[in-house]
Amino acid sequence: RKEVEQDPGPFNVPEGATVAFNCTYSNSASQSFFWYRQDCRKEPKLLMSVYSSGNEDGRFTAQLNRASQYISLLIRDSKLSDSATYLCVVSRGSQGNLIFGKGTKLSVKP
Amino acid sequence: GAVVSQHPSRVICKSGTSVKIECRSLDFQATTMFWYRQFPKQSLMLMATSNEGSKATYEQGVEKDKFLINHASLTLSTLTVTSAHPEDSSFYICSARGPGLGEQYFGPGTRLTVT
Repeated sequence: RKEVEQDPGPFNVPEGATVAFNCTYSNSASQSFFWYRQDCRKEPKLLMSVYSSGNEDGRFTAQLNRASQYISLLIRDSKLSDSATYLCVVSRGSQGNLIFGKGTKLSVKP
Repeated sequence: GAVVSQHPSRVICKSGTSVKIECRSLDFQATTMFWYRQFPKQSLMLMATSNEGSKATYEQGVEKDKFLINHASLTLSTLTVTSAHPEDSSFYICSARGPGLGEQYFGPGTRLTVT
């Protein structure tokens, strides 16, 4: 079983739609949690950190459930520019190593 | 924000040759640098972690004699793929972090093709 598992996707949605991504992680010692976005053939970029209390950044809302080892990302009012692959990431260990999920591809259509 | 560069951005080499990839932190001192590899439609996989002035720590399954990592200064780390084979063709990405466990800043990646 992979340490970080995500919805396989792809998600094809119209502009303005609300879309939700789910992620589970297997290592209960995971310390920090993030969502990254990766555009085709580019490096990943940090979208937001995820906190137990839940956090929001504009149209993006992230939730963490440590008991269920579950992370989610909600995107409201999707824009064409949101099209990308969304990576669920956890950190662990003394060096804070990042463990990446395989990613879920989102395609927002006009 | 912090900037990390990689060079070259893409490289094509013949099987059996060695390739060196550079990763530089341009506006901060990178105490720790990380090297990742990403095959098409796969997740980024951590290859190794290096602290300035120390030997790199390799992840399980990554051959340290094949992937040589040097982190000789606080702004530069290099990854050398020795005796490259076609199966080493991949997207290699570095990231850098300052002191502590703050955010990792990613370089733009190097696309390696071994023919």
